[in-house]
Amino acid sequence: EPEVTQTPSHQVTQMGQEVILRCVPISNHLYFYWYRQILGQKVEFLVSFYNNEISEKSEIFDDQFSVERPDGSNFTLKIRSTKLEDSAMYFCASLPGRAADTQYFGPGTRLTVL
Amino acid sequence: DAKTTQPTSMDCAEGRAANLPCNHSTISGNEYVYWYRQIHSQGPQYIIHGLKNNETNEMASLIITEDRKSSTLILPHATLRDTAVYYCIVRVARGSTLGRLYFGRGTQLTVWP
Repeated sequence: EPEVTQTPSHQVTQMGQEVILRCVPISNHLYFYWYRQILGQKVEFLVSFYNNEISEKSEIFDDQFSVERPDGSNFTLKIRSTKLEDSAMYFCASLPGRAADTQYFGPGTRLTVL
Repeated sequence: DAKTTQPTSMDCAEGRAANLPCNHSTISGNEYVYWYRQIHSQGPQYIIHGLKNNETNEMASLIITEDRKSSTLILPHATLRDTAVYYCIVRVARGSTLGRLYFGRGTQLTVWP
């Protein structure tokens, strides 16, 4: 069964450094999402992406964040200058978009900012 | 922006049915009820969704009350691997496929041997 994959599974970085989290959505899916989950807290929506542009973003997704689909398979989340409070699990999700309702989530990347 | 209310935790004996309730009294006519679960910080996993009719798939059954103000997710024969946080989410499905999912705190289901 096709699945969303994410790399790396765990990323450790120093405060102020840039990080790029990578996702490979399910082939032929058209809509892509990033969510995050701070330890012990709720899963929070960050951004949705369709047709090579951001469709919707939350208040969390400020100028430090950006997303890109650099080729036909990868979907990336970049944090330009990480802060301690960016430490969280980051989940990528994708959606077929053709009369389909289900977002499929990846296993997540644990980001630790020191 | 949670529009649902769920108990914080429940437990269930292995092999028995787990019935997880959800209140969504402000649900709109075009909003579906979705259930996802999250096993120990893994990515959320879709379980089932419905509009007003009861639904069943290989994982679970979804019972929606006639007034649609509440629903129950039923895992007919819970196993230890069903221990997870279960999220009840309401959202528009058709014509709004870009829509974000709003996750609340969910219900921590613990299945014991």
